[in-house]
Amino acid sequence: GNSVTQMEGPVTLSEEAFLTINCTYTATGYPSLFWYVQYPGEGLQLLLKATKADDKGSNKGFEATYRKETTSFHLEKGSVQVSDSAVYFCALRGSGTYKYIFGTGTRLKVLA
Amino acid sequence: EPEVTQTPSHQVTQMGQEVILRCVPISNHLYFYWYRQILGQKVEFLVSFYNNEISEKSEIFDDQFSVERPDGSNFTLKIRSTKLEDSAMYFCASSEGEGEQFFGPGTRLTVL
Repeated sequence: GNSVTQMEGPVTLSEEAFLTINCTYTATGYPSLFWYVQYPGEGLQLLLKATKADDKGSNKGFEATYRKETTSFHLEKGSVQVSDSAVYFCALRGSGTYKYIFGTGTRLKVLA
Repeated sequence: EPEVTQTPSHQVTQMGQEVILRCVPISNHLYFYWYRQILGQKVEFLVSFYNNEISEKSEIFDDQFSVERPDGSNFTLKIRSTKLEDSAMYFCASSEGEGEQFFGPGTRLTVL
């Protein structure tokens, strides 16, 4: 079945450091891919998405490219801020279904 | 900005008791979902609901679980006889269609 594997956290970075959170997936057909973020005490918020191979999703300085050849959707940001501290979830939605399949989430802590 | 709300934020119950978790989806959305996350594990899909019926459910969603949209605004998840392993964070979500799902902040259920 479909699955998502996300790098273990927590990830601790200094402000302005480069961020990569790895996400790989297993799916049949052509899934849509998502990154969600959860700030303390809040719900999951969509950060970015990509619906087909080679699409790049971007938002708030974060980017992720849908790589079908490596079945990956790694999240990157060139310069993180303290306010980016949160839990980041990679997710996919398979063809013909509305349900999301999530990774375990990666906690990011950015230090000033 | 419209948002999904959930009540209560934290529910403590004794094993074997019934619990009802409540959600108010975004008002013009037609699709509703429940997910859960056991501490340290992945966010897992439980059920999706559309047009007053379940459209998809996971193997977790057994006879102990039920969902209902009792009026035009609420969407509830009932667990008839809670088990220790039902302790988790439960997330409600809604969507207009197959696009972005909007998540609530979650209800933390603790079964003693």
